[in-house]
Amino acid sequence: ETGVTQSPTHLIKTRGQQVTLRCSSQSGHNTVSWYQQALGQGPQFIFQYYREEENGRGNFPPRFSGLQFPNYSSELNVNALELDDSALYLCASSPGGVGQETQYFGPGTRLLVL
Amino acid sequence: QKEVEQDPGPLSVPEGAIVSLNCTYSNSAFQYFMWYRQYSRKGPELLMYTYSSGNKEDGRFTAQVDKSSKYISLFIRDSQPSDSATYLCAMSEGNDMRFGAGTRLTVKP
Repeated sequence: ETGVTQSPTHLIKTRGQQVTLRCSSQSGHNTVSWYQQALGQGPQFIFQYYREEENGRGNFPPRFSGLQFPNYSSELNVNALELDDSALYLCASSPGGVGQETQYFGPGTRLLVL
Repeated sequence: QKEVEQDPGPLSVPEGAIVSLNCTYSNSAFQYFMWYRQYSRKGPELLMYTYSSGNKEDGRFTAQVDKSSKYISLFIRDSQPSDSATYLCAMSEGNDMRFGAGTRLTVKP
């Protein structure tokens, strides 16, 4: 088991609602990345935070936003939920100063949008 | 054409078999190549990573990268039922990381 935790484990929302997902990084890691994994697909990079600043973003609309806190925990916020947002949302943490090759994933939050 | 192509399988082998998993990619800028294992309803678990071309061995697992062919492989020796999972290849350049769709592997006792 990695030291990365996520909450909640499961969530059901309706279209148009807003959702906040949370991630606690592994101890000593100051970089966190968020991914969306649709069923039967590999994870897709949403964005990365390094020392509380956004440090790169994938091809996701602005209604996907995030925060990283001084203790390096992180939130992913999604506004105006759409049915296609149903997926497993993963966060991954890594030590600062290196690339994503050493990142460790949490167990994910499974979001269902009805 | 997807940036990272991975045969989704499913792949079923008997216990003790050698398993070969592969990915191809199109972006020559990728520098790091990773293999993750993902059990059902769990997050991906990093197995190993390789920088640039070459081989890397860790126990029963061997990763190979051929940048000239844009082709990476993971070999599992003496496969065990506990190896049954989805295997994801991934590659990165900076913080731009791309995953394959994953290959579902079943090792039968």
